[in-house]
Amino acid sequence: GENVEQHPSTLSVQEGDSAVIKCTYSDSASNYFPWYKQELGKRPQLIIDIRSNVGEKKDQRIAVTLNKTAKHFSLHITETQPEDSAVYFCAASKWRASKIIFGSGTRLSIRP
Amino acid sequence: DGGITQSPKYLFRKEGQNVTLSCEQNLNHDAMYWYRQDPGQGLRLIYYSQIVNDFQKGDIAEGYSVSREKKESFPLTVTSAQKNPTAFYLCASSESGPSTDTQYFGPGTRLTVL
Repeated sequence: GENVEQHPSTLSVQEGDSAVIKCTYSDSASNYFPWYKQELGKRPQLIIDIRSNVGEKKDQRIAVTLNKTAKHFSLHITETQPEDSAVYFCAASKWRASKIIFGSGTRLSIRP
Repeated sequence: DGGITQSPKYLFRKEGQNVTLSCEQNLNHDAMYWYRQDPGQGLRLIYYSQIVNDFQKGDIAEGYSVSREKKESFPLTVTSAQKNPTAFYLCASSESGPSTDTQYFGPGTRLTVL
């Protein structure tokens, strides 16, 4: 069945450095790829998304890249700050699908 | 996502009891979803509904039931058949479907079985 794999499961970076989280998906028909950030005890919130007709999207310190051929997409956070510490989930879905498939999450910690 | 509310925030249940978790949205979204999240784990889909009076089982529907009598409401009942219900429950909604629109999450209900 459809599957989204996410790596790494935990990531620790020095404040100010960059963080990269990678996801691969199994269904080549997938065309929508959102990323969610979940702080401890809070709801997941959308931080950025990308559709299959583009290869990269940026929003300030956050960027997402998509490689349709390889079926993988990545989240890039530059100049990391303490408030970036959270769990990040990638997800994938396709046209006329009834549900989103989530990755297993990455716990990002920013070291001062 | 401020247009999705869940209640209560915390819920305690004795073994053998059914409990109902509320989810309401005022975003005029067609689709609604229920997820379960265990500590340190990802999101697992319990049930989803794309339209009023219709819903489908997700990946872990056993021991749960839902209804969708109104567009804005999608309550989840955790029955006594659910053997390990202690978890964080998240409701979400989207405008038409996940392939075209983002899912927005409610604040969650933390259920604990005593």
